[in-house]
Amino acid sequence: KQEVTQIPAALSVPEGENLVLNCSFTDSAIYNLQWFRQDPGKGLTSLLLIQSSQREQTSGRLNASLDKSSGRSTLYIAASQPGDSATYLCAVRSISSGTYKYIFGTGTRLKVLA
Amino acid sequence: DTGVSQNPRHKITKRGQNVTFRCDPISEHNRLYWYRQTLGQGPEFLTYFQNEAQLEKSRLLSDRFSAERPKGSFSTLEIQRTEQGDSAMYLCASSLQGELHFGNGTRLTVT
Repeated sequence: KQEVTQIPAALSVPEGENLVLNCSFTDSAIYNLQWFRQDPGKGLTSLLLIQSSQREQTSGRLNASLDKSSGRSTLYIAASQPGDSATYLCAVRSISSGTYKYIFGTGTRLKVLA
Repeated sequence: DTGVSQNPRHKITKRGQNVTFRCDPISEHNRLYWYRQTLGQGPEFLTYFQNEAQLEKSRLLSDRFSAERPKGSFSTLEIQRTEQGDSAMYLCASSLQGELHFGNGTRLTVT
């Protein structure tokens, strides 16, 4: 059974810092991994999708990497801004499940201080 | 592309009442998902459809929950005889090539 863990649960940093958010999954046989941002009381906004054949994806100040063999993904945020404050979630779709179901981690709550 | 639309945004109901939520996916997306999220937790999978076929249901989805996607377009999620433990954000997502796109959710409060 696939389990997804995100550490740390919460993070507070001063504006301008580069930071790394971690996502671990127990079953390395995955189709893809997706990173999301969630603002309070809102739905999830897709940030980056990494296919199992890819090592990383970049969008603006965001870079996500994938190491399937170790069951890890990291989301790197460069030059953080107060507007980056949100909860960041990762989700994986497992090959072993045989379905299109995505399993989510519990998220990292990020606060960027001005 | 108008995105995934969910209605209503908020629903307050008394215990024992039935509620129904609607989700309109992105028009060309063939897969539609329902998730439930409680405070401080990640979304928990409830069910998903490929076109009009419901392909998987979570064990979390008790007999009081039912979802439909007639004609493979919009979907409805009904909860019968609501309980206080049903209070949560109900999220809908759709996809075509694997990337999930979420709506803003329906927040249910059962009093």
